[in-house]
Amino acid sequence: GQQLNQSPQSMFIQEGEDVSMNCTSSSIFNTWLWYKQDPGEGPVLLIALYKAGELTSNGRLTAQFGITRKDSFLNISASIPSDVGIYFCAGPTGGTSYGKLTFGQGTILTVHP
Amino acid sequence: GAGVSQTPSNKVTEKGKYVELRCDPISGHTALYWYRQSLGQGPEFLIYFQGTGAADDSGLPNDRFFAVRPEGSVSTLKIQRTERGDSAVYLCASSLRQGARTEAFFGQGTRLTVV
Repeated sequence: GQQLNQSPQSMFIQEGEDVSMNCTSSSIFNTWLWYKQDPGEGPVLLIALYKAGELTSNGRLTAQFGITRKDSFLNISASIPSDVGIYFCAGPTGGTSYGKLTFGQGTILTVHP
Repeated sequence: GAGVSQTPSNKVTEKGKYVELRCDPISGHTALYWYRQSLGQGPEFLIYFQGTGAADDSGLPNDRFFAVRPEGSVSTLKIQRTERGDSAVYLCASSLRQGARTEAFFGQGTRLTVV
C-alpha cells in the first residue's frame, strides 16, 4: 500500500526559530494534508493542499505541494512553545475523501523557551 | 457537544475479553471513520461508514474486529478475544459527507490497554 515517510522524526529547537519538515511518498497523491496532534487529543487539520506546486499559508505555517506529487513540506516560522506536538502528513486513499487517509509516522517537535 | 466524542477515554481489559468503544460524531455528519494509532506511529485506517452502512472495512486487521452504526449516528467498535497487540489509541472521526475536500474531525480517542 501507499506509505508516507516523514523527516526528521524529531526536532528540538529554541523558541523563535523556524522549523522545516517534509514528507515523501512512493506514489502520487492528489491531495496533501498536514495535521498536528497534542498529547491526549486527536489530530487537528492545519493545512490542505490540492494542486501540485501549490503553496498555502495558515498564520505562521506554510506548506507546499511538491511538483512531482510525491512530496510535501511544512514550515513553521518564529516557533512558540504551543507549537510543541506531533506533526503528521497525510493523503487520502480511495479517491479524494479526507476521511480515509494514509498518515506518515509523524515529526515530534519540542520547543525550548 | 460540538465535537466528536469518544467513550471511554481509557479502557484496561484482560487478554481474551470483549470490549466496545463508542463514538458520537458531530451532529449531522454522515460519514464516520475509525482509526487505530499505535505508540510512535501515525493513525491507521480501520473502517468507514457512510450513513448506516460500512462503505469500506479494508483496514480491519482480522475478524475479531467489528463495527456498527445502526442508526447512522453513534458507532461502536467491537473487539472480541482481545490480544495484547490490540493495545493502542482508537480514534474516531466524522465528516459532513464522504467526498472531495471534506474535512474529517477527530475525537480525542480511546486508549485501550490489554493486560
